[in-house]
Amino acid sequence: GQNIDQPTEMTATEGAIVQINCTYQTSGFNGLFWYQQHAGEAPTFLSYNVLDGLEEKGRFSSFLSRSKGYSYLLLKELQMKDSASYLCAVRDEWNNNDMRFGAGTRLTVKP
Amino acid sequence: DTAVSQTPKYLVTQMGNDKSIKCEQNLGHDTMYWYKQDSKKFLKIMFSYNNKELIINETVPNRFSPKSPDKAHLNLHINSLELGDSAVYFCASSPRGAGNYEQYFGPGTRLTVT
Repeated sequence: GQNIDQPTEMTATEGAIVQINCTYQTSGFNGLFWYQQHAGEAPTFLSYNVLDGLEEKGRFSSFLSRSKGYSYLLLKELQMKDSASYLCAVRDEWNNNDMRFGAGTRLTVKP
Repeated sequence: DTAVSQTPKYLVTQMGNDKSIKCEQNLGHDTMYWYKQDSKKFLKIMFSYNNKELIINETVPNRFSPKSPDKAHLNLHINSLELGDSAVYFCASSPRGAGNYEQYFGPGTRLTVT
């Protein structure tokens, strides 16, 4: 089975930096994804990690430690439009098409 | 052009009815999925089809039946709807194979059972 845990809610200030953590316990691992979901909309892809380390894409970075079963999503220079839910998802080792999502972290960015 | 489309966007129906949700992708992907997102925003996989073959069938009630006429379409038929079926249903698609590929989601179908 798979357990994927994230904080339920976070609040941050415009222009600041926020880190959203994700821990996972899986029987197999073949990659970790972060998705952004605005209220009433579909999830959209943000980042992918399969090896340990940091992946940077503009204002967003994602880190993975496979030995610790841990990832984080780092958002820099926060903007009001970054208010959304952020979903951590893990892909199964044995079935590349099986991806399990965490419950998501609802981020509120305040002026 | 819309990559993954779903119809209808909203569906309100009564308990006991049978309804279908349609999904189409024009990305040329081999794999399509159905997810259910409940009121707590938890996104759970229901089905996955790879090139018209079922490869994941989660423990959802057999009232739910996916149908894939071709690899660009994956429809979801629901029999004898229940109150607990109220949720947003997302269709998604992805290329087959390992590597850095993500799933592309449709806009969702908000199903309300009264």
